[in-house]
Amino acid sequence: ETGVTQTPRHLVMGMTNKKSLKCEQHLGHNAMYWYKQSAKKPLELMFVYSLEERVENNSVPSRFSPECPNSSHLFLHLHTLQPEDSALYLCASSQDPSSGVNEAFFGQGTRLTVV
Amino acid sequence: GQNIDQPTEMTATEGAIVQINCTYQTSGFNGLFWYQQHAGEAPTFLSYNVLDGLEEKGRFSSFLSRSKGYSYLLLKELQMKDSASYLCAVKDSNYQLIWGAGTKLIIKP
Repeated sequence: ETGVTQTPRHLVMGMTNKKSLKCEQHLGHNAMYWYKQSAKKPLELMFVYSLEERVENNSVPSRFSPECPNSSHLFLHLHTLQPEDSALYLCASSQDPSSGVNEAFFGQGTRLTVV
Repeated sequence: GQNIDQPTEMTATEGAIVQINCTYQTSGFNGLFWYQQHAGEAPTFLSYNVLDGLEEKGRFSSFLSRSKGYSYLLLKELQMKDSASYLCAVKDSNYQLIWGAGTKLIIKP
């Protein structure tokens, strides 16, 4: 059983569709993150949840909607996306983000293509 | 603004040594991380530096100079499996990770 699991691994959706990405962590961490990774660009932090409360929202468009029902699960709900939203979406978890040394553990990502 | 710079791509030969540099300008500093990411896979943690100096971990070492805003990752005895992207990231004063775009390392036989 891997530490951080994301589903689906690949997703193709039309601009009018609604879909959700799922992330589950089995590490007992209390913080979870959504990142967007585009080719040759730095990882972009989208959302952070610490102890199930959202603590960061880096001006992400409202067509992306996160949900964290408990400390082990994180969702990213998608609706009316644009082609430029096509990217790799990575989920990560860590213990206490305010402690410097605690590294993030990543899932393998969902490769999203918007057509 | 906050910025992390690292080379886009590097090529090295199997068995050799390669150094991947990272320079940063951030608002505050709470540590620097190196991650490895193979194509199509999750980034995995390699090293963490918060004090100046060299941290050695097997074939991989990471160096930090806070006064220069500079780090490098040193990979020795390169193997074909080391072909991957290497990501540099800094935790700023708000403990938020600021990421570089990654360095794609190509290993040739």
